[in-house]
Amino acid sequence: ELKVEQNPLFLSMQEGKNYTIYCNYSTTSDRLYWYRQDPGKSLESLFVLLSNGAVKQEGRLMASLDTKARLSTLHITAAVHDLSATYFCAGENYGGATNKLIFGTGTLLAVQP
Amino acid sequence: NAGVTQTPKFQVLKTGQSMTLQCAQDMNHNSMYWYRQDPGMGLRLIYYSASEGTTDKGEVPNGYNVSRLNKREFSLRLESAAPSQTSVYFCASSPRTGYEQYFGPGTRLTVT
Repeated sequence: ELKVEQNPLFLSMQEGKNYTIYCNYSTTSDRLYWYRQDPGKSLESLFVLLSNGAVKQEGRLMASLDTKARLSTLHITAAVHDLSATYFCAGENYGGATNKLIFGTGTLLAVQP
Repeated sequence: NAGVTQTPKFQVLKTGQSMTLQCAQDMNHNSMYWYRQDPGMGLRLIYYSASEGTTDKGEVPNGYNVSRLNKREFSLRLESAAPSQTSVYFCASSPRTGYEQYFGPGTRLTVT
């Protein structure tokens, strides 16, 4: 069964700095998802990465996928306070007729002014 | 489009009481899911329904039952609530399994 590990689990960073969140997964997963969750809120889809080498960007966030290394990254450029949230990655677990998403434990990002 | 809706938003139960969490989606999705979220544990899949008429256990099904009432609705029942079931419960849907999931607003359940 697919296992998904994120690191770091907690990230405190200053506004204007760059940083990367890493998502490692244990077995083959051709699709990788990134979600954002604000405190007390639901999960919101950020990126869907569908193939090896996929890169997607929105604003200050950029996600990439390397299926050979079983690694996805979420890069934050020039962080701002509004990016403070918990970020989850999820990989696709192949299970015969049905595939399930397996979520990492999340990275709590706190951007300090 | 409301997306995925859940009721209730909050609930407090006493140990041993039962209740049903309701979930509905208006995106014509085939697959629906129930997760629980606990601090430091991420999201754990309780049950899912790959398509109307089917349900399957996820990672943590003990103490729960589900019903896929129709294509739109998927309910989660706690027959005899326990304090260990205190959690935030999220319903989600997707066009089919393995695809991007869309989440409801969540139900915060406390069992005393």
